[in-house]
Amino acid sequence: GQQLNQSPQSMFIQEGEDVSMNCTSSSIFNTWLWYKQDPGEGPVLLIALYKAGELTSNGRLTAQFGITRKDSFLNISASIPSDVGIYFCAGLRNQGGKLIFGQGTELSVKP
Amino acid sequence: GAVVSQHPSRVICKSGTSVKIECRSLDFQATTMFWYRQFPKQSLMLMATSNEGSKATYEQGVEKDKFLINHASLTLSTLTVTSAHPEDSSFYICSARAPSGQETQYFGPGTRLLVL
Repeated sequence: GQQLNQSPQSMFIQEGEDVSMNCTSSSIFNTWLWYKQDPGEGPVLLIALYKAGELTSNGRLTAQFGITRKDSFLNISASIPSDVGIYFCAGLRNQGGKLIFGQGTELSVKP
Repeated sequence: GAVVSQHPSRVICKSGTSVKIECRSLDFQATTMFWYRQFPKQSLMLMATSNEGSKATYEQGVEKDKFLINHASLTLSTLTVTSAHPEDSSFYICSARAPSGQETQYFGPGTRLLVL
């Protein structure tokens, strides 16, 4: 099925470093969601964005809904070992529609 | 926050048997739930949309007679994998759409199915 273009696919960073990942699309989305998935678990919602240009923080995480409605990024500041996991972006085109997922970004943090 | 549970968390069954997976929204009513399948190192693949009180809507390529979905109440949807085969082994995850006004989905913890 159709997916969002999420990058990078994987990241290997040192504890304390900042992380940035993004998702892009050729079409417009009205909602952007960022999830984190640990091995063997379901995705956990990190941040939800509902308005173009919206910038939202959740602790060390910050996400923005691109002004063109075709992209979103997620930043993690001062990474810690428990940030390890796979991060997915997901977009909704219209109310009541289906979530379209990115391919995921696998984050590894070296203590 | 909204909590979604799944049961069982993992199941091993013999080829040819049927397996039922339950998805419950614990602290909110969900008129719409979704069933996904995920293979290792891959993203989530939507299988079907489950609507309370009506038939599920299946994605292209997903056999409705193979994957039976029932959404009999506002807090429970079930997925039954009928006549399971080894190729049905996967990680099955459900999600529930948040209460009206929020276009957000909350996911269950997933069910690991292994068909021998």
